[in-house]
Amino acid sequence: QVQLVQSGAEVKKPGASVKVSCKASGYTFTSYYIHWVRRAPGQGLEWMGIINPSIGSTNYAQRFQGRVTMTRDTSTSTVYMELSSLRSEDTAVYYCARDRGITGQTSKKSFDYWGQGTPVTVSS
Amino acid sequence: QSVLTQPPSVSAAPGQKVTISCSGSASNIGSSFVSWYQHLPGTAPKLLIYDNNNRPSGIPDRFSGSKSGTSATLGITGLQTGDEADYYCGTWDSSLSLVVFGGGTKLTVL
Repeated sequence: QVQLVQSGAEVKKPGASVKVSCKASGYTFTSYYIHWVRRAPGQGLEWMGIINPSIGSTNYAQRFQGRVTMTRDTSTSTVYMELSSLRSEDTAVYYCARDRGITGQTSKKSFDYWGQGTPVTVSS
Repeated sequence: QSVLTQPPSVSAAPGQKVTISCSGSASNIGSSFVSWYQHLPGTAPKLLIYDNNNRPSGIPDRFSGSKSGTSATLGITGLQTGDEADYYCGTWDSSLSLVVFGGGTKLTVL
């Protein structure tokens, strides 16, 4: 069965960076796009960006440009999301989510499987 | 302020029906497919509806979706206490070049 398993909770100081992993199993890793979405306390869902695990290409939401980097390791079927220059407003649960569309076609921008979430707390 | 507008909360009794609206614009709902997600904090969100009105396998037909113009609606019939959750609509916005979500609607089953 399809599973996305994320790394554990993180506590970081303002200005630091955090790197969250998302290990995929149960399907061909390179065949489906992966997105990152976060939910801050008391807030709604916020899309951060997308990575094509087949070729490594990325597309980030403009508000995260310059601070976020999404990468993948095909040997371990793992996607990574690194967010730098952390501030308190980045405190949130971060989710990876699989796109319904396959990488040979346009992303569907609709997410059929999600990771369990990684809480990131930014506090001095 | 979310790009898509949802009511903050809705409520109904067990067994009843509820609808959740999602209002957008021509650059998002008006030109893209809409998805709906159920989210209980502390768990992974779940896809309920994709492409406006399609249910993934395993989602009961108590959940339905529709779209008209720049608005979409999620319907839930035969409400159960287990349906208490936050519900989000989502779609692609071609002007902003990003996936946008509604602010979420908290469903309470009284």
